[in-house]
Amino acid sequence: AQRVTQPEKLLSVFKGAPVELKCNYSYSGSPELFWYVQYSRQRLQLLLRHISRESIKGFTADLNKGETSFHLKKPFAQEEDSAMYYCALRGGTSGSRLTFGEGTQLTVNP
Amino acid sequence: DTEVTQTPKHLVMGMTNKKSLKCEQHMGHRAMYWYKQKAKKPPELMFVYSYEKLSINESVPSRFSPECPNSSLLNLHLHALQPEDSALYLCASSQPLRSSYNEQFFGPGTRLTVL
Repeated sequence: AQRVTQPEKLLSVFKGAPVELKCNYSYSGSPELFWYVQYSRQRLQLLLRHISRESIKGFTADLNKGETSFHLKKPFAQEEDSAMYYCALRGGTSGSRLTFGEGTQLTVNP
Repeated sequence: DTEVTQTPKHLVMGMTNKKSLKCEQHMGHRAMYWYKQKAKKPPELMFVYSYEKLSINESVPSRFSPECPNSSLLNLHLHALQPEDSALYLCASSQPLRSSYNEQFFGPGTRLTVL
């Protein structure tokens, strides 16, 4: 079975502060991990995937297989980062089935 | 065209009505998906089509009937729904299943209300 846990439903930071959204997963094989973001009144969109190892909008995420984590980080949060963030996992044997975490609502205060 | 489009944006229906949700993409994707999303919850997978054939049905009640008439279109036919079926219905598409790069692109959703 595959499972994604995002321990924080709500996260509030001030503009310019560092932010870390936590994601832990459970999967016996080699998973693919993603971060999706849903801004208010906008569609769900891919933010990062672990195999790309890139930085998007200042966000990075590193897959830590030892800790089974894929935390999302940004050194200096901006107000426009306020959104719902979902961590998602795709297992190798599950085709394209994505398992989403419950999501973290990030609010960046001015 | 790099978007997934969905119609209608909003739909209100009674429990005896029959309606359909439509989804379209022109990115050449051969996998298409229906998800259901309740407020403040993650999307829940309902169906996956791969090369126009139903690949995954996540034990969805038969009052939801998917259809993939061609590689660009995906429909979800609704009949005898219940109020608890009210939700945002999302369509997504991706490169074929098992491709090494098969990011899912999501549509804006149809907000369904069942009275």
